[in-house]
This record gives sequence, structure tokens and C-alpha cells, in this order.
Amino acid sequence: QSVLTQPPSVSGAPGQRVTISCTGSSSNIGAGYAVHWYQQLPGTAPKLLIYGNNNRPSGVPDRFSGSKSGTSASLAISGLQAEDEADYYCQSYDINLSGSVFGGGTKLTVL
Amino acid sequence: EVQLVESGGGLVQPGGSLRLSCTTSGLIISTYGMNWVRQAPGKGLEWISYISNSGSPTSYADSVKGRFAISRDNTKNSLYLQMNSLGAEDTAVYYCARVRSGWHVDYWGQGTLVTVSS
Repeated sequence: QSVLTQPPSVSGAPGQRVTISCTGSSSNIGAGYAVHWYQQLPGTAPKLLIYGNNNRPSGVPDRFSGSKSGTSASLAISGLQAEDEADYYCQSYDINLSGSVFGGGTKLTVL
Repeated sequence: EVQLVESGGGLVQPGGSLRLSCTTSGLIISTYGMNWVRQAPGKGLEWISYISNSGSPTSYADSVKGRFAISRDNTKNSLYLQMNSLGAEDTAVYYCARVRSGWHVDYWGQGTLVTVSS
């Protein structure tokens, strides 16, 4: 059971907007620690998508955006493209565990 | 170009040991904290260990505490993970990763597969 909770799957048609939620607790997201998001394509290492709740590394399209409120965070993907089909993970830091924590991952299917 | 390359994975019997290495190029490793993160087949990402830029402090997930030891040699731009008392539950791809302030990872290695089986 992951410390951060994500829906196992989401789907959307090309061009649509989808959101992926990430729910934590008072010892991680709710304690003020930032939330980060990663995209993992099959057979490859994860890639940083959003850091510090809502910042995009260079090269990440502005179709990807992040937000955080209270003990939860969300990743939004607008203008869905076939190439966005991948697994998405949220990550934060947990003060009780003294380490990073990941969500269980969400598989995005582009219909 | 920043590169992280893991090595040392392979097949090991239950109860056995293995030492993973992560060699880096394109970055001065002594400036950054580093993580080991693993992914069991068909499963999600699991953080397992962190080491600060100087080598201390370190931290471990409960699942590996007391069995795994993280270390680094900044003179060799390298990171290590000594894994002891391995069990089937440790079968996974192991990634080394550079940690930035805020605890996010901006660079990952390609991973090395560890299979624990008799």
C-alpha cells in the first residue's frame, strides 16, 4: 500500500483534458512538502514532469501542469496526445518516514 | 550530458548478497544527494535509500532497513548499494537517481535488474 494514493487508471480521447489526483497526509503533502510528478513510458526510466508542485523542467510541454492543495495534489494534461500514454507517479517527502514516498502510479490510456 | 549508469545486478539466490554500483558523468556528484529507487516487475516505484552529498546522513525505507547499506565515493563520482539477506521481494529494477532540493529527482539511470531466485 503506497503512502500517496493515486487512481490506478484514467483515460481520455485525443485533445481532451485529464487529471490525476494524488492524496497524502499531514506527514507529507499536508506538512508542506512539495509534490513532484514523473512520466514513465514502457521499459524506460521515469522522467521528471513537474517539480515543486507546479514547475516544469525545460523541454516539458505546457500541456502538463500541477497543483497542490492541503493534503492533495493533481496533475493535469490538456490536449491529450497518443504519446502521452504512459504511467504517471506522484512523489513527495514524508517527515515520519524520513524519506521520499511515491504514489502507486496511474496508467493513462489515450482512447 | 549527465549520465548515470547502474551495474552489478543479476541473479542471486535467496539469502545472498549483491553490490550495486552507479557511475556518473557530466555532473559533480559531491554536490548532490542521491537516491536508490526500485521497481518490482509490473509494480510501481519504491524509494529505498538516500545519502546526502557528504555521505551522512543516510536514510532507508523500512523494507530494506538493516539489510541494505548505501554509500558513495565522491572521488570516483560513484554511488553504491550493498544488499544483504536478499529475498524474492527484492526482485526489481534498481535505479540510482540524483536528488535536488525539494526532494525531487531530475536524473535517473537506466536501471539494473536484480532477480532473487533459487
